[in-house]
Amino acid sequence: EVHLAESGGGLVKPGGSLRLSCAASGFGFSGTWMSWVRQAPGKGLEWVGRIKSKTDGGTTDYAAPVKGRFTISRDDSKDTLYLQMNSLKTEDTAVYYCTAESAKSIASSWYVYFNYWGQGTLVTVSS
Amino acid sequence: DIQMTQSPSSLSASVGDRVTITCRASQSISSFLNWYQQKPGKAPNLLIYAASSLQSGVPSRFSGSGSGTDFTLTISSLQPEDFATYYCQQSYRTPLFGPGTKVDIK
Repeated sequence: EVHLAESGGGLVKPGGSLRLSCAASGFGFSGTWMSWVRQAPGKGLEWVGRIKSKTDGGTTDYAAPVKGRFTISRDDSKDTLYLQMNSLKTEDTAVYYCTAESAKSIASSWYVYFNYWGQGTLVTVSS
Repeated sequence: DIQMTQSPSSLSASVGDRVTITCRASQSISSFLNWYQQKPGKAPNLLIYAASSLQSGVPSRFSGSGSGTDFTLTISSLQPEDFATYYCQQSYRTPLFGPGTKVDIK
């Protein structure tokens, strides 16, 4: 059974840092692209960023609001995904979900979707 | 940048109703469109991928259609467990979610 478990959330002051972890089990973590998605209180879903598998280059992409402040990394030996968040702002307050991406080939195109999700961890940025 | 819109932003419906939610992209995204259901306090759950492919385990009352810029999620007969918020998400470029449609009880 696939399981994703985030940890590391909490209360942090503006300008501070926090590192989230996501422990994965039940699937081939090392070969899976992973993303972080967040949801501010009472708001919609916002993609934060992704890291590709090392076989696909291990590169990262980020949403504009977090680029230069957040860093996604992975430790395939521990089946764990990380989100290092620096220079935190009040608008970063949200539940942060890690997600595992799946891809399916249909008529020679690859369709990617967020197939598995963790339960989320709350990050509150407040003075 | 691609923008995603959904309509309506909320709707009230009764058990047994046919419900249709629309998602529109600001430019063509072919069929790179996914749908998710989210209940309060829970993580989202994938319903539909590639615009019209039903995810394994999802009831057949859910269906998706469309391509290009206009997409639809249809619930053929609303059940009590379907009251939730629904999000579309494009995977044509870097992922982007629509603003969501909340379905509540009339």
